[in-house]
Amino acid sequence: DAKTTQPPSMDCAEGRAANLPCNHSTISGNEYVYWYRQIHSQGPQYIIHGLKNNETNEMASLIITEDRKSSTLILPHATLRDTAVYYCIAYDIQGGSEKLVFGKGMKLTVNP
Amino acid sequence: EPEVTQTPSHQVTQMGQEVILRCVPISNHLYFYWYRQILGQKVEFLVSFYNNEISEKSEIFDDQFSVERPDGSNFTLKIRSTKLEDSAMYFCASSVEADTDTQYFGPGTRLTVL
Repeated sequence: DAKTTQPPSMDCAEGRAANLPCNHSTISGNEYVYWYRQIHSQGPQYIIHGLKNNETNEMASLIITEDRKSSTLILPHATLRDTAVYYCIAYDIQGGSEKLVFGKGMKLTVNP
Repeated sequence: EPEVTQTPSHQVTQMGQEVILRCVPISNHLYFYWYRQILGQKVEFLVSFYNNEISEKSEIFDDQFSVERPDGSNFTLKIRSTKLEDSAMYFCASSVEADTDTQYFGPGTRLTVL
């Protein structure tokens, strides 16, 4: 089962920052936090990942708390095309398993 | 930007028939994966493949399923005798390495078993 919990849904106004929370209170030291999203029934799209430090790329920023028990994905200027299901996944880099375990994710709806 | 491609985008088949779903992973990637998503449900891992061998498989990946890398570019998933419950979106993914590397997904093949 997924080791992360996310609210089932969230709304955001177009042009505003979308802050997507994720709880992973049982995350281990070897587990990265990965974020993917899925638009309609398309393939999951990689967004960003991190271990301890905050990360930023052209799509988003990832803020991980110091105790690593939670994180926030930030879409700085949400657009209608960001409407999707967002998945927060704890991925063990040393666990011997190569599979990503997807939960139900969180449906983000960006409103005009 | 390199991407994973999958064909066909939609496959309709009769129950009991064999289907082959095709994927072209990103060219320098060495690890390949299949996932599936039944309508309205979670994305589920099926199998991972490296160096012409299955490296990990889930309980879903039973004897009806097989994977193959028939040449230097394609990666296939075969379902020998399809069942109604095999109807799902099937996603191929690839990564440069396992564990520490990001998996990139293809657009998926929608399989409909009648």
